[in-house]
Amino acid sequence: GDSVTQMEGPVTLSEEAFLTINCTYTATGYPSLFWYVQYPGEGLQLLLKATKADDKGSNKGFEATYRKETTSFHLEKGSVQVSDSAVYFCALFMNRDDKIIFGKGTRLHILP
Amino acid sequence: EPEVTQTPSHQVTQMGQEVILRCVPISNHLYFYWYRQILGQKVEFLVSFYNNEISEKSEIFDDQFSVERPDGSNFTLKIRSTKLEDSAMYFCASSAVQGPYEQYFGPGTRLTVT
Repeated sequence: GDSVTQMEGPVTLSEEAFLTINCTYTATGYPSLFWYVQYPGEGLQLLLKATKADDKGSNKGFEATYRKETTSFHLEKGSVQVSDSAVYFCALFMNRDDKIIFGKGTRLHILP
Repeated sequence: EPEVTQTPSHQVTQMGQEVILRCVPISNHLYFYWYRQILGQKVEFLVSFYNNEISEKSEIFDDQFSVERPDGSNFTLKIRSTKLEDSAMYFCASSAVQGPYEQYFGPGTRLTVT
């Protein structure tokens, strides 16, 4: 079935470091891809999305490009901040279903 | 900004007991969802609900589970006879339209079954 695999955490970086969180997917068809973020004590928030191959989603300095050839949607940020500390979830959505399929989540710690 | 709320934030119950997890979706939303995340595992879809009936459910959502919108504002998930493996974080979500783009999630209820 459809699934999402993302890198295991926790990931610990110093402030201003470059961030990459890897995400790959398996799907029969052409999914829409998402990154969600969960800050401590809060719900899941949509961070960015891409709906077709080669689309780049971006928000708050984060970017991810939908790569059909490698079935990937890696999350990147050029210079992380302490406030980026959170759990990040990669996810996909197929139009035939009304449900989001999530990865396990990656906890990110940014040290000042 | 409107938000989805969930109560309680943490529920501890004994195996075999019934629990009800409560959610208050955003007021003008029509589509409602429950997801869960067992510790260290993926966030998994449980059920979607629209127009006072279940529109889709996963294989996890067996006869022990039920959902209800009892009063037009709350959306509840009931587990009739909890098992140890029901211990998880349960997330409620709501949206005004069908699809993932506008699904707003609550902060979750951590259910611990002992």
